[in-house]
This record gives sequence, structure tokens and C-alpha cells, in this order.
Amino acid sequence: DAKTTQPPSMDCAEGRAANLPCNHSTISGNEYVYWYRQIHSQGPQYIIHGLKNNETNEMASLIITEDRKSSTLILPHATLRDTAVYYCIVRVAEYGNKLVFGAGTILRVKS
Amino acid sequence: NAGVMQNPRHLVRRRGQEARLRCSPMKGHSHVYWYRQLPEEGLKFMVYLQKENIIDESGMPKERFSAEFPKEGPSILRIQQVVRGDSAAYFCASSEGIFSGNTIYFGEGSWLTVV
Repeated sequence: DAKTTQPPSMDCAEGRAANLPCNHSTISGNEYVYWYRQIHSQGPQYIIHGLKNNETNEMASLIITEDRKSSTLILPHATLRDTAVYYCIVRVAEYGNKLVFGAGTILRVKS
Repeated sequence: NAGVMQNPRHLVRRRGQEARLRCSPMKGHSHVYWYRQLPEEGLKFMVYLQKENIIDESGMPKERFSAEFPKEGPSILRIQQVVRGDSAAYFCASSEGIFSGNTIYFGEGSWLTVV
């Protein structure tokens, strides 16, 4: 059901930038890209979302390609506490705009 | 600004008992979602409610599960006659509106263990 494709896992060195890719080739013009993460045994945490333009907040940056078919979440200085499952989600009207979670990417930050 | 509040955080029930999970959305939010996460599995949508209305229950099991979001008070997810397979984490989320640009925020979850 998910409209996104993510690598199953990635490793990142502590202090380095973590770049998490996401493909959403069938995205429509009014559909937002959302990123959440889930640290073990916690609720999903909202990170960032965007429509067309690149976005930045205190947690991360979201880079969306011009054709909107893919995006990259950037954690600028990863820490061990960023180890989590990261979900890239496209909210689609046909699903009632609810979030449909895929398998996500397991990001392991290593010291 | 308090986030989405869920209680109880942990609940143990014997097979055949009832489980009631409560969710208070963020202030100003009138849309509530319930998700379930079975052990070692992904998050699955269960139901979406607005005040006094069930909007989308496409993910709810056909039997024993019900949800409500009354005009006053928290949203309730009710599981009757629980079985071992109901053991899972149940997450509630809320949003201000249903549009794609309205962010959905999650609570910390309620962990149900059926013994």
C-alpha cells in the first residue's frame, strides 16, 4: 500500500551527516512527503514534511527533487540517539490522507 | 503544549477480558487515528475518527474491536474478549485537520499484553 521505496538499512558514523533516500515516483501534485522515525519502544516521531520546496527545521532537512519523484532526509550531525527506523510516507487522498507506513529504513549510527 | 496522551501505558489482561485504551489528542485537534504494531512488525492503520464520527475503519478487525471519540472526553479503543494475538503496541495520533498538509502527531503508545 505504501507509495514509497526506501533502503532497508543504512549505517552512519556519529557526527557525520546521515542521508536517507526515498523514492516516490507515483506521487501526485498535491501529495505531501512526510518523514517520521520510531526509536525502539517509542511512538513515531514527526520529523519534517514538504510538498515541492526543500524544507529545514531544527531536526533535519528535506530535499525534494524537482520532478518530486524522490526525496532525501538529511540529519546534519547524526548522534547515537538518532538510531531508529525512519519512515518516508506520501499522504494520498485515496487513502483518506491517513499515514500508511511501509517498512522504513533502519538507520544505525555508530561511534 | 501537551502532546498526544495515551493511557494506560502498559496493560495486562487475561484471555477473555476487555481492554480499554484511552487517547487524549493534542489541544485543538479534532481528528484521531489509531494504529497497531504487533511485535517485530510495522505500524498498521486501524481507524480514523472525528468527534462523534467514525470516518474510516478499514483497518479494524471485524469482531471484538471498537472505537469511539465522544463529544467530550478522550477517544477510546475497546477490545472485547482479548486473545493472545491482540498483544501489541497501540498508538494513537491526532491532527488538526485531514488535509495532506496537516501534521499528524503520535502518542507514546499503550502496550497490551494478554496472558
